[in-house]
Formats: sequence, structure tokens, C-alpha cells
Amino acid sequence: AQRVTQPEKLLSVFKGAPVELKCNYSYSGSPELFWYVQYSRQRLQLLLRHISRESIKGFTADLNKGETSFHLKKPFAQEEDSAMYYCALKVGGATNKLIFGTGTLLAVQP
Amino acid sequence: NAGVTQTPKFQVLKTGQSMTLQCAQDMNHNSMYWYRQDPGMGLRLIYYSASEGTTDKGEVPNGYNVSRLNKREFSLRLESAAPSQTSVYFCASLLAGVLGGEQFFGPGTRLTVL
Repeated sequence: AQRVTQPEKLLSVFKGAPVELKCNYSYSGSPELFWYVQYSRQRLQLLLRHISRESIKGFTADLNKGETSFHLKKPFAQEEDSAMYYCALKVGGATNKLIFGTGTLLAVQP
Repeated sequence: NAGVTQTPKFQVLKTGQSMTLQCAQDMNHNSMYWYRQDPGMGLRLIYYSASEGTTDKGEVPNGYNVSRLNKREFSLRLESAAPSQTSVYFCASLLAGVLGGEQFFGPGTRLTVL
């Protein structure tokens, strides 16, 4: 079955603390994974994609095929990182359909 | 460029009423998608259109219909609204054929069915 699991509904950390948002997937093919973010009163937007192996706003995510994970990490959280984060898995080949996890709300306390 | 636009922003319906949610994109994207977002359930795909002239069901299509009017526009219709369709609806578009292609989202429509 194709599935994305984000086990934490809410992650609360203090400013300057490390952050790790967990994402596990189930997919029989070669996975293509994304992190999308939704800041308060803004539209959903792409944060990063595993294929680019990039760091955006200090966030990184490494695809671990052995553990079927794509956790999002940042060494030092900032208050402006507070948002809803969704992990997404591309399925359906050329249709580019996405399966989203249930999301994790990151709250960074001052 | 406006990106992906959606109308209306808010809507309240009574059970049994019908309505159409409009979505348009000005990025010359091939593919368009409709999602619903519910608390604790993330985003779920309702319908999608991989290219102009084609539409297909997603994960939760029951109670909805779609029309890909042209390359720019993709509408979602509720024929007989039910309280279970209370949700936030997002439209998205994507330029197909790009490796690691990004879906661009609209601002959403918040729908309440009484």
C-alpha cells in the first residue's frame, strides 16, 4: 500500500533547539519525496524535494530507503519556522499525484 | 503572474445545495489537482487532470465532479452538498515533465455545509 506517515501531530520546541519532523513512507517503487509547508494564513508551498538534495531555510531531509524515512531536520529552530509541515510522496508516475501525510504542526517557543 | 487563483474564498451552503468551486492558473501548467484538507487527515486528492481534456478520480471522489474547461481552468462541482463535505478545498497545478516537479497551490476555499 502507498502511504505516508507523520507520527507527530504537534512538535513544540524552544528557539535555538534542534528540530526533527518525522516522515515514513510505504511505496513499492523508487520513491520521490517532498516536504511542503503552510505558514499561518498563507498557501501551501514546497519546502524541499529529496531529488535536489538541497537545504532550504536551514532545513534538510535525507531519504533513507532502508528505513523508508524522509525526516526533516534543522539544527537551530527559529520562531518563523512555526508552521504546518506535510510530507508528500509522488505516486502514479506521469500523473504526478501526491499522497500527503497528516501533517505536523511545529510550534517554536521564544 | 497571479499563480493559482480560487474563487470563492468562503462559502456556506445548506445540505442539498449545489455549487462550483473555480480554479485558474496562469503558469501554462499541464496538470491540475483538487484536494480537500481536514483536521488530522492532511490533504486528500479528490480529482485530477493530468492534461487538458483528461480528468480522473483521486482518493475521495464521491460527491464531486470536475471539469477541465481549458488549459487554465479546472472547476470542482458539488451537486448536492452534505455536511461531510465541510472542508478547506485546495487547487494545485504542476508543469508535467519536470523531474521533481513542484505543485503550486491556490489560497483555498473554506466551505461549510449546514
